[in-house]
Amino acid sequence: ETILTQSPGTLSLSPGERVTLSCRASQSVRNDYLAWYQQKRGQAPRLLIFGASNRATGIPARFSGSGSGTDFTLTISRLEPEDFALYHCQQYGNAPLSFGGGTKVEIK
Amino acid sequence: EVQLVESGGGLVKPGGSLRLSCAASGFAFNDYWMHWVRQAPGKGLEWVARINSDETIIDYADSVKGRFTISRSNAENTLFLQMDSLRAEDTAVFYCAKDSSSRLAVAYNWFDSWGQGSLVTVSS
Repeated sequence: ETILTQSPGTLSLSPGERVTLSCRASQSVRNDYLAWYQQKRGQAPRLLIFGASNRATGIPARFSGSGSGTDFTLTISRLEPEDFALYHCQQYGNAPLSFGGGTKVEIK
Repeated sequence: EVQLVESGGGLVKPGGSLRLSCAASGFAFNDYWMHWVRQAPGKGLEWVARINSDETIIDYADSVKGRFTISRSNAENTLFLQMDSLRAEDTAVFYCAKDSSSRLAVAYNWFDSWGQGSLVTVSS
């Protein structure tokens, strides 16, 4: 099984700041098949990025994904108030599908 | 607009059974792969099971294989998860999720829509 490690566990930031979230895989993710989701408290996850760097429909341009192999990054160029949430990465290149433990972005 | 609405969760004793449903609308349900994903309290997400559009391809996580059964009714636009021999470690919010693939034999395995979730608590 491919283990995904997200770091840091929690980030305390202010609106307007740039955010970089890390997702590291225990083995290379085939075809860089990695997705990112945002989850607000009490809500379902929302797809942000698929294929490591493709923004999903309706996702603002301030969200971007990058990386390949075992190291992937989600960047939020400028934090908006609605961006404070929990972020999950998921790999779907290797069986079985797996998720990281999540990174919480909280207001400083 | 895609809508996925889960129901059927609740409190059940260890060893008991529960059946979750997910009512789908706003898209051609009978064309898409569907999945169940769960989230234990304070934990990350865990993929549970998937099913293709005509039920000819079904897969499970090792943690639920032999105890859970995924199925669907395309006539009723509904996804199901029959959960038997439930354990305390199955306690979680269960989400149904729509795959982006409408290809019969190939799932994309990333999820473009999710339901709001249904809480399953396994406790004596």
